[in-house]
Amino acid sequence: GENVEQHPSTLSVQEGDSAVIKCTYSDSASNYFPWYKQELGKGPQLIIDIRSNVGEKKDQRIAVTLNKTAKHFSLHITETQPEDSAVYFCAEGGTGNQFYFGTGTSLTVIP
Amino acid sequence: NAGVMQNPRHLVRRRGQEARLRCSPMKGHSHVYWYRQLPEEGLKFMVYLQKENIIDESGMPKERFSAEFPKEGPSILRIQQVVRGDSAAYFCASSPTPGADQPQHFGDGTRLSIL
Repeated sequence: GENVEQHPSTLSVQEGDSAVIKCTYSDSASNYFPWYKQELGKGPQLIIDIRSNVGEKKDQRIAVTLNKTAKHFSLHITETQPEDSAVYFCAEGGTGNQFYFGTGTSLTVIP
Repeated sequence: NAGVMQNPRHLVRRRGQEARLRCSPMKGHSHVYWYRQLPEEGLKFMVYLQKENIIDESGMPKERFSAEFPKEGPSILRIQQVVRGDSAAYFCASSPTPGADQPQHFGDGTRLSIL
């Protein structure tokens, strides 16, 4: 539902390090959790998603984990690169017609 | 293989004028969603439309705002008698199937500025 909390709001990491962003949600009926990357002046771009019937999904340097019992899910970016710098949004969906978005994490990768 | 197309990218209006924002969904997508993003915030749902039908407008203000998705042509978000508080980025998303358990693909938005 409406209560999607995202942390941290800002994150700085050295190039090559990992970055982790966490979100919590309140609606136990939700079953779809996408992550979006938004670069300056652009729209959100879907980078990875996970459904409630799996606990983890990986796509190259990006992975998402989901804990349905605790109602939280996380984005993991390994071997970060400067081009990973952007604002990342988690979202919760599955019931109704809309996504509920977190407030975003501004990630800066320092070369 | 165009994605979701929105225009204009930037729109400046004076208080009291009308703003029209257009969205052409991805090819093959018949479900359109409009979201609003205020500075430093996440996206907030406004309205969900299918061709010629408004399915869910629970996030759209009752006054001054309207949306349509005609049989032919783009979806239109219309804001009448704009006020300063309408300044925001408006994003359109589309999907091939209904519901929020499927990916929604976003355009690059229209940034509306009210003078």
